[in-house]
Amino acid sequence: ETGVTQSPTHLIKTRGQQVTLRCSSQSGHNTVSWYQQALGQGPQFIFQYYREEENGRGNFPPRFSGLQFPNYSSELNVNALELDDSALYLCASSLETSGRRDTQYFGPGTRLTVL
Amino acid sequence: QKEVEQNSGPLSVPEGAIASLNCTYSDRGSQSFFWYRQYSGKSPELIMFIYSNGDKEDGRFTAQLNKASQYVSLLIRDSQPSDSATYLCAVNSGGSYIPTFGRGTSLIVHP
Repeated sequence: ETGVTQSPTHLIKTRGQQVTLRCSSQSGHNTVSWYQQALGQGPQFIFQYYREEENGRGNFPPRFSGLQFPNYSSELNVNALELDDSALYLCASSLETSGRRDTQYFGPGTRLTVL
Repeated sequence: QKEVEQNSGPLSVPEGAIASLNCTYSDRGSQSFFWYRQYSGKSPELIMFIYSNGDKEDGRFTAQLNKASQYVSLLIRDSQPSDSATYLCAVNSGGSYIPTFGRGTSLIVHP
């Protein structure tokens, strides 16, 4: 167990709807990254938040948005859901070790199905 | 475009053998290298990270890094059926803290 939690575990939505996924980072971690993992693929980076500010963004459209709160928990919002958004959404938090913030620990993920 | 390549497998080895998993990357500026294990339906679990050329050992696992040849490998000694999973390689380029993941190699350890 990494101490990173995500909710909900599973979610079923229909095309066009909006969804909010939540993540609580491990105690002491101040960086949260979100990934989308389609079946048979590696995790694809969506964006990262460091101390409440977006610190990097992958190749995802603006309908994917996020937020990080003062307690370093985070939300991922997806608007206008499409069938291809069906995937496992992973949150990872980072521990700063020797000046690095890239050692990431994943939460259990949220399985999103879009019908 | 920064790329991380892994053979998708499956790699099948008998119990007790050494499993060798390989990963190549395109960005010569890469500085941090990670191996994650992912069981079916679960999230990735960090196994090892390596920053310097050479070998790093942790129990039955050894990570090997060769920056000149741009590859990183993971050796699993005395493979067990419980090691059967997908192994993800992740590479972080200098200047960012955002690893790029390969698609993973499926490992099957048969009794």
